Amino acid sequence: EAEVAQSPRYKITEKSQAVAFWCDPISGHATLYWYRQILGQGPELLVQFQDESVVDDSQLPKDRFSAERLKGVDSTLKIQPAELGDSAMYLCASSRDLGGPEQYFGPGTRLTVT
Amino acid sequence: QKEVEQNSGPLSVPEGAIASLNCTYSDRVSQSFFWYRQYSGKSPELIMSIYSNGDKEDGRFTAQLNKASQYVSLLIRDSQPSDSATYLCAVNVSPRGTYKYIFGTGTRLKVLA
Repeated sequence: EAEVAQSPRYKITEKSQAVAFWCDPISGHATLYWYRQILGQGPELLVQFQDESVVDDSQLPKDRFSAERLKGVDSTLKIQPAELGDSAMYLCASSRDLGGPEQYFGPGTRLTVT
Repeated sequence: QKEVEQNSGPLSVPEGAIASLNCTYSDRVSQSFFWYRQYSGKSPELIMSIYSNGDKEDGRFTAQLNKASQYVSLLIRDSQPSDSATYLCAVNVSPRGTYKYIFGTGTRLKVLA
């Protein structure tokens, strides 16, 4: 069964350090999403790609976060410098196309900033 | 008003009972609706999708959609302790010609053995 892959699964970093997350969507899925989920809340969209193009990054804190999907397949999300408030679960998801309709999540990366 | 609203719970039901989870949304033109199950410390897992008014059944799960009332629900029949999780409602909206998924905060379900 095709799955969204993410790494690492867990990351502990000190504040002011750089951290990067990787995601490989389901094969053939053109749309890729990065979400942040804080405990007790629903996932919040950070950035959305259609192939290699950014469709929506309105909620991405661009002073410290960056995301790329250079060849329209896998993607990297980077935080530099990390802050204590960035501690959360970072989720990657993919869907066949912009309209979905169905979106599937990877296992997530649990980030702890100390 | 939040775009997708859910009661945070916890909703406690005895084993074997029907669990009823509710969700309201604000965007009248939304066309696609989803329920995800999320176990503690894990990522969301898609369990149901519904696109037209009425009921959609899949095993012990039934999704119900009422677009006029902007309401979507999930019924879980014969609830099991393994159903204990947070259930997230998601709506696909299309602002400015694109598409995005908006999630509720989730309802925590506890099935008591």
